[in-house]
Amino acid sequence: AQSVSQHNHHVILSEAASLELGCNYSYGGTVNLFWYVQYPGQHLQLLLKYFSGDPLVKGIKGFEAEFIKSKFSFNLRKPSVQWSDTAEYFCAADTGRRALTFGSGTRLQVQP
Amino acid sequence: GAGVSQSPSNKVTEKGKDVELRCDPISGHTALYWYRQSLGQGLEFLIYFQGNSAPDKSGLPSDRFSAERTGGSVSTLTIQRTQQEDSAVYLCASSLGLAGGPQNIQYFGAGTRLSVL
Repeated sequence: AQSVSQHNHHVILSEAASLELGCNYSYGGTVNLFWYVQYPGQHLQLLLKYFSGDPLVKGIKGFEAEFIKSKFSFNLRKPSVQWSDTAEYFCAADTGRRALTFGSGTRLQVQP
Repeated sequence: GAGVSQSPSNKVTEKGKDVELRCDPISGHTALYWYRQSLGQGLEFLIYFQGNSAPDKSGLPSDRFSAERTGGSVSTLTIQRTQQEDSAVYLCASSLGLAGGPQNIQYFGAGTRLSVL
């Protein structure tokens, strides 16, 4: 069965530090990939998505992610984090099954 | 509506009682999904609707869980004889259409936090 793994469960960074959150999926076919963010007290929001084409996708708030098919990875990056980026980040995959398969999430804490 | 609306936002119930959770999707979205988010866990898929039919119920954890959707719009998730392990945040999402393409961007509601005492 397909699965999504996020190996970093809790990340603590200082403001202006660079961020990379790992996401790996297990599925051999065509896959669409997403990163969602959940700010404290808010609902899940789409951060960015990959369907096809350029494997480097840019999302809102300066985030980007790179799809590397050979590594089954879709890591999220941001060059310089802000305190307002404190949130939980979820990677998700759409394998054509309709429902999304989510990773367990990474809690990011940015210290001012 | 402007977004996915869920009610109630919080529900506290006693073990053994039945509960109903409601989801009102974005207007025009034909697909509707229910997920469950337990403490420290990711999102666990429960059931998916395309229109009023549920082609995929594979995520429902037991026969105490059921869901329906009427008029291609509002959906209700019912949990009968609630147990403490049912405590979680129940999230609803909707999308324009079929999986595997740009129309399957799912938009989430704020969720219903269920606490079973």
